[in-house]
Amino acid sequence: DVKVTQSSRYLVKRTGEKVFLECVQDMDHENMFWYRQDPGLGLRLIYFSYDVKMKEKGDIPEGYSVSREKKERFSLILESASTNQTSMYLCASSFPRGGRYTEAFFGQGTRLTVV
Amino acid sequence: GNSVTQMEGPVTLSEEAFLTINCTYTATGYPSLFWYVQYPGEGLQLLLKATKADDKGSNKGFEATYRKETTSFHLEKGSVQVSDSAVYFCALNQQGGKLIFGQGTELSVKP
Repeated sequence: DVKVTQSSRYLVKRTGEKVFLECVQDMDHENMFWYRQDPGLGLRLIYFSYDVKMKEKGDIPEGYSVSREKKERFSLILESASTNQTSMYLCASSFPRGGRYTEAFFGQGTRLTVV
Repeated sequence: GNSVTQMEGPVTLSEEAFLTINCTYTATGYPSLFWYVQYPGEGLQLLLKATKADDKGSNKGFEATYRKETTSFHLEKGSVQVSDSAVYFCALNQQGGKLIFGQGTELSVKP
């Protein structure tokens, strides 16, 4: 069974803290993605990666960075957490670049609250 | 740019009612189209997909047909169950594998 695992289901952090969200997939997928989900806005792409040590900005990268040191692991970093980053964060992975036909597989999500 | 628009929710139905959730898209080229479902407290899982015009995706009694002429991919089910209560997302896949999502439609089915 395919699996994308996010390290935490719920997190509460303080404003200004550096926050790490971890994601691991066991499907040997090249592509990995980070989305945030907010009511009425659907899912918005923050960053994605097509290969190890490679990253590209999505639609809303401000205030975030990412790290991909190993193929199976993709980390989202909030450099200095702010209350407007309170959201549900979803990690996903999919087959190789250019795979227009293939779906993405999602983790269970991390609900982050910044106080 | 590419975009996906879904009908707004929440949608509340009685068990065994007919379901339609509208989805239209704007895209260059020929994207693949998807419906994802999110049950309470969980991540998204693929419900069905279609990769070219006139394709019909189907799964668990749900269906959607890729209509290029109307740029639509409406989700339908003939008889909903309480267990179908969830949030449904329409999405398209651009070249490069990035998914663009609609805003989601919450469905609540009452016994």
